[in-house]
Amino acid sequence: AQSVAQPEDQVNVAEGNPLTVKCTYSVSGNPYLFWYVQYPNRGLQFLLKYITGDNLVKGSYGFEAEFNKSQTSFHLKKPSALVSDSALYFCAVRDVLNPNTGFQKLVFGTGTRLLVSP
Amino acid sequence: KAGVTQTPRYLIKTRGQQVTLSCSPISGHRSVSWYQQTPGQGLQFLFEYFSETQRNKGNFPGRFSGRQFSNSRSEMNVSTLELGDSALYLCASSLGGLAGGSEQYFGPGTRLTVT
Repeated sequence: AQSVAQPEDQVNVAEGNPLTVKCTYSVSGNPYLFWYVQYPNRGLQFLLKYITGDNLVKGSYGFEAEFNKSQTSFHLKKPSALVSDSALYFCAVRDVLNPNTGFQKLVFGTGTRLLVSP
Repeated sequence: KAGVTQTPRYLIKTRGQQVTLSCSPISGHRSVSWYQQTPGQGLQFLFEYFSETQRNKGNFPGRFSGRQFSNSRSEMNVSTLELGDSALYLCASSLGGLAGGSEQYFGPGTRLTVT
């Protein structure tokens, strides 16, 4: 089964410092990878995605992510963190087509809480 | 453009009842997906509808069902509610759906509490 792992439940960083939120994936074939952010009492917001092409993907709010096929990773990064970046971040991968059902789904990681201190 | 809207925002039901949640996608989006979010299980995919057809389905029992109308609005129904169905139910719309690798735009969710 396809899966994503977010090894850190929480990441703490001081405002102005660079931040990294880690994600590794397990999928057969070429992965479709996504990052979403969730603020309290709100739905998820799309940040960026990788489907093909340049391994460095730039997204919303100054975030970027690097696709690394050999390490099966898709870490989210930002050069300078803001207090307002504090939120819950989810990595997701699109599952491959199930040959029995013809279905596929989006599989989310467990989420990483980012806390940016002033 | 208006975002994804979900109604109602909060709902309290008792075990054994059924519930219907509604989702209006972003104008022009033909794909609507539903997710269940709980502290224990995280975010889990329920199903996706595209142009009124169920295109994809997650690993949920048949008590969970949905449909999509010709205007792309979607409803999700849960019958014979159980305590474990208490969750935040999120709806997301996209242009091309999962098959196209399109990013999804989420609504604020419906918080369902089953007592």
